[in-house]
Amino acid sequence: DADVTQTPRNRITKTGKRIMLECSQTKGHDRMYWYRQDPGLGLQLIYYSFDVKDINKGEISDGYSVSRQAQAKFSLSLESAIPNQTALYFCATSGGGDGEQFFGPGTRLTVL
Amino acid sequence: QKEVEQDPGPLSVPEGAIVSLNCTYSNSAFQYFMWYRQYSRKGPELLMYTYSSGNKEDGRFTAQVDKSSKYISLFIRDSQPSDSATYLCAMSEEDSSYKLIFGSGTRLLVRP
Repeated sequence: DADVTQTPRNRITKTGKRIMLECSQTKGHDRMYWYRQDPGLGLQLIYYSFDVKDINKGEISDGYSVSRQAQAKFSLSLESAIPNQTALYFCATSGGGDGEQFFGPGTRLTVL
Repeated sequence: QKEVEQDPGPLSVPEGAIVSLNCTYSNSAFQYFMWYRQYSRKGPELLMYTYSSGNKEDGRFTAQVDKSSKYISLFIRDSQPSDSATYLCAMSEEDSSYKLIFGSGTRLLVRP
């Protein structure tokens, strides 16, 4: 089984809808991250969490919120989706201070 | 100017060729340097990891870091069609190793 899983893998929604993307991990890592990937822009950090009670904004957090329900679960919400939030979204985890992060398979989100 | 610059390619080479992938960066505080490989419709997977300057070799892959020039490279020897993917460089500072800054990725195609 994959160490980092994301659901759904694909989602098409309409402008104004609320969307939740979920991430689960079995690696036992404390740190979890949400990124978005756009063509030609690489990966940009949306939010990150060091543990259940420690959640921090990344470089592009506007329009997004997160919830760390447990050590192994980290959800990303789009309260009112807009078309420029169409992108690939990745969850990642890390276990320590050496920078290595492990990514999930991604969610392809399309906002019409 | 982006903090990390990477040529998007695509880079097309024949099977067996030596491939050189590069990134330049502007932040002299970066200490952790990584290369991720991303296949189409998959999440990035860590390929090589280097701390500070120097070389690191793993099979057909060699990572080089030149901090004086703010330049990192990934060499792939005896390239195979299965190496066809997008290669992302990533780096972070020592006291904030969780904040990975990614290049935009170079798409590599190895022709049989």
